[in-house]
Amino acid sequence: QLQLQESGPGLVKPSETLSLTCTVSGGSISSSSYFWGWIRLPPRKGLEWIGNIYYGGSTYYNPSLESRVTMSVDTSKNQFSLKLSSVTAADTAVYYCARLVRGSSDFDYWGQGTLVTVSS
Amino acid sequence: QSVLTQPPSVSAAPGQKVTISCSGSSSNIGSTYVSWYQQLPGTAPKLLIYDNNKRPSGIPDRFSGSKSGTSATLGITGLQTGDEADYYCGTWDSSLSAVFGGGTKLTVL
Repeated sequence: QLQLQESGPGLVKPSETLSLTCTVSGGSISSSSYFWGWIRLPPRKGLEWIGNIYYGGSTYYNPSLESRVTMSVDTSKNQFSLKLSSVTAADTAVYYCARLVRGSSDFDYWGQGTLVTVSS
Repeated sequence: QSVLTQPPSVSAAPGQKVTISCSGSSSNIGSTYVSWYQQLPGTAPKLLIYDNNKRPSGIPDRFSGSKSGTSATLGITGLQTGDEADYYCGTWDSSLSAVFGGGTKLTVL
């Protein structure tokens, strides 16, 4: 059974960089059938897509966040990562990593999510 | 402000049927498939419906999806208290972005 697990600091100071890693187990991140994505859920708001990455390194970002987002993949560790720079309180959210079926908008496996709070 | 529009909340009694709407535009719902996700309290979202009306393995047929034009609908029959959750629609936009609705909170009275 595929499992995804987010890890990283739960508290980030304003103007600093948020860094999260998603570890994939029970399957290979190097499959040609899938992308790997980050989605967040801010308090009292709906889901917001952050971006996707392919195992070969191709990235696709939300235009509203693109200037601050960097995603990377480490196939040797079966992990992919998110960096979000210059964070503000508006970036406080539960961050999820998920698997996206290639050619669709179906996120079929999700991590449990990790709460990141931006505060001094 | 979410790209896709959902009602903030719906409610119905156990055993009844409820529908949740998702409204978009020709650049998203009108041109591609819609997915639905169920988020039970304290858990991650779970894929409930894909390709407008298909159910992943393990999802009961009490859950159904449909699409017409630039809108989609999730239907749940035989409501159970365990169905109380937030439900989100999602799709792909012509700007090559994944987009979601703001979520609908289902209360089973």
